[in-house]
Amino acid sequence: NAGVTQTPKFQVLKTGQSMTLQCAQDMNHNSMYWYRQDPGMGLRLIYYSASEGTTDKGEVPNGYNVSRLNKREFSLRLESAAPSQTSVYFCASSVNEKLFFGSGTQLSVL
Amino acid sequence: AQSVTQLDSHVSVSEGTPVLLRCNYSSSYSPSLFWYVQHPNKGLQLLLKYTSAATLVKGINGFEAEFKKSETSFHLTKPSAHMSDAAEYFCVVSDTGSGNTGKLIFGQGTTLQVKP
Repeated sequence: NAGVTQTPKFQVLKTGQSMTLQCAQDMNHNSMYWYRQDPGMGLRLIYYSASEGTTDKGEVPNGYNVSRLNKREFSLRLESAAPSQTSVYFCASSVNEKLFFGSGTQLSVL
Repeated sequence: AQSVTQLDSHVSVSEGTPVLLRCNYSSSYSPSLFWYVQHPNKGLQLLLKYTSAATLVKGINGFEAEFKKSETSFHLTKPSAHMSDAAEYFCVVSDTGSGNTGKLIFGQGTTLQVKP
């Protein structure tokens, strides 16, 4: 059972570079999320998608875009990376508000 | 908008003593509330979930939490701490009645240290 798969696991970017974090779930969940985790700040919601074709901003959406390509996939794009976006990123899906998390992406922006 | 505040960033207890991790929430609607745990270098695991069926919720590994609407609190407790309980704990709120179904907001986290 794959669950939630996110790639890559590690990434180093230079300021101004762009990249897309990929996420896919095989549990047929409607809701999917992108969070970032920073020390002392818990997990902060970047964007979420309640269903295929819909997305909504979370607590910290600035500097990010998302795409819900289909029910399985929910990608997060950084158009012009900044050092403030250095963080651990988690993708998640949910059913009955129970979250299932991917293993995380550790992103460093130099 | 809903929010959640974990009142302690760090809690230290001795093995075998009670654990209390405090969480207050703010919500315009009847909230769903959760506690998640994250062990070092591991993913997040759901401990328990409140959805208005009962104010005292029992979770895994001996944890429980009590929903108190008058105090807007959802504190996590365990009668006797084990070394394996050392981890980071997150309180989470969801506004189930606001049209934002599934929008889940995390608190800042509480690190639980268990001393031998």
